[in-house]
Amino acid sequence: EAGVAQSPRYKIIEKRQSVAFWCNPISGHATLYWYQQILGQGPKLLIQFQNNGVVDDSQLPKDRFSAERLKGVDSTLKIQPAKLEDSAVYLCASRRTGRYNEQFFGPGTRLTVL
Amino acid sequence: AQSVTQLGSHVSVSEGALVLLRCNYSSSVPPYLFWYVQYPNQGLQLLLKYTSAATLVKGINGFEAEFKKSETSFHLTKPSAHMSDAAEYFCAVSGWGNYGGSQGNLIFGKGTKLSVKP
Repeated sequence: EAGVAQSPRYKIIEKRQSVAFWCNPISGHATLYWYQQILGQGPKLLIQFQNNGVVDDSQLPKDRFSAERLKGVDSTLKIQPAKLEDSAVYLCASRRTGRYNEQFFGPGTRLTVL
Repeated sequence: AQSVTQLGSHVSVSEGALVLLRCNYSSSVPPYLFWYVQYPNQGLQLLLKYTSAATLVKGINGFEAEFKKSETSFHLTKPSAHMSDAAEYFCAVSGWGNYGGSQGNLIFGKGTKLSVKP
């Protein structure tokens, strides 16, 4: 089975510019997560989707970050405008519904904001 | 509230030596615990998970971890390190007692980078 796909793998932008990341989860996985991983830290959850609905976005900086999963499959995370502190790896993960099921992670997008 | 503490941001062992990576957790509900490995420029891969069954959990690549409730620990071990084990390891906790928005969400530690010397 194909894994979680993410693009682009790398992105360099200037501060105040906009950027978007794309994620395609494993087929059949209803739950999708976006994480932010700053260098030297563990991943931090930004947002969780169940199908096309948001379950948890309590840690998403909503003044500049937005995410959608319109058809309940792939998802886009956007930052507008970017700040220097947004430099990080953005990881997407998906999970099949069920208590014991694990999250599968994509390779991530490394964002550098100059 | 849940949290994870990984003791030691960097651990170095010789090839063939015991690997011990420490993880302590805090959780107000029965925890589910996970160890993930991350190789450079890659996503996270699950090594093993504890979901309230056997307290000694065996994972991939010869790793295992033991859940000790009295010590709130879930340390990761491997009897004999291999060069290919060099990577960053993350411990994570998930609580299923809260069936609201945090169902299945993972709280990660800061990670431990494992180096293996020849």
